[in-house]
Amino acid sequence: AQKITQTQPGMFVQEKEAVTLDCTYDTSDPSYGLFWYKQPSSGEMIFLIYQGSYDQQNATEGRYSLNFQKARKSANLVISASQLGDSAMYFCAMREGGAGTALIFGKGTTLSVSS
Amino acid sequence: DTAVSQTPKYLVTQMGNDKSIKCEQNLGHDTMYWYKQDSKKFLKIMFSYNNKELIINETVPNRFSPKSPDKAHLNLHINSLELGDSAVYFCASSHPRESATGELFFGEGSRLTVL
Repeated sequence: AQKITQTQPGMFVQEKEAVTLDCTYDTSDPSYGLFWYKQPSSGEMIFLIYQGSYDQQNATEGRYSLNFQKARKSANLVISASQLGDSAMYFCAMREGGAGTALIFGKGTTLSVSS
Repeated sequence: DTAVSQTPKYLVTQMGNDKSIKCEQNLGHDTMYWYKQDSKKFLKIMFSYNNKELIINETVPNRFSPKSPDKAHLNLHINSLELGDSAVYFCASSHPRESATGELFFGEGSRLTVL
């Protein structure tokens, strides 16, 4: 079974609109972390946001927020006020156990932002 | 100033050759990783080292051999290269302290093309 599922291969959004990228995960470990990374066409991996399994509040970082629904095992990324520079591949990832454990990545969602 | 640096960035070689990719991090992290990103952009963990000790060795052909001379370096040596080894290889590091998120810091990637 896949540990991280991203069901949207591609998403399209207009500039200044909000967009939600879906991510569901599967783990039986009570301690885990959820991450989102951005990979622009230049290829580097850019860390966006982190949510710990025990965190009570949804994580936010600037225009990024993580909609964490623990019972549903979902960790959707919300990008508000999309910009052209947001066009990229977005990966959801999970760490099972403590820090220092490898991340397991989903297959990614390609986001295209148009003007 | 680069936190995680990989060399070379591009590598084109013939089937059957042996090649190495070097990785260095100056973040003082204890844990380093090698990930492979295939042509479909799927990121898969290959190896993980903590303080020069091998922690994870996923199902990777034994033609791939990681070497960690010290905790700041993790090199990847590949013997008898095959066409299917063509991919982007990412080095990453993280700090396993309990308070840390376990976020991975990635290098820029090394694109290997086997002809």
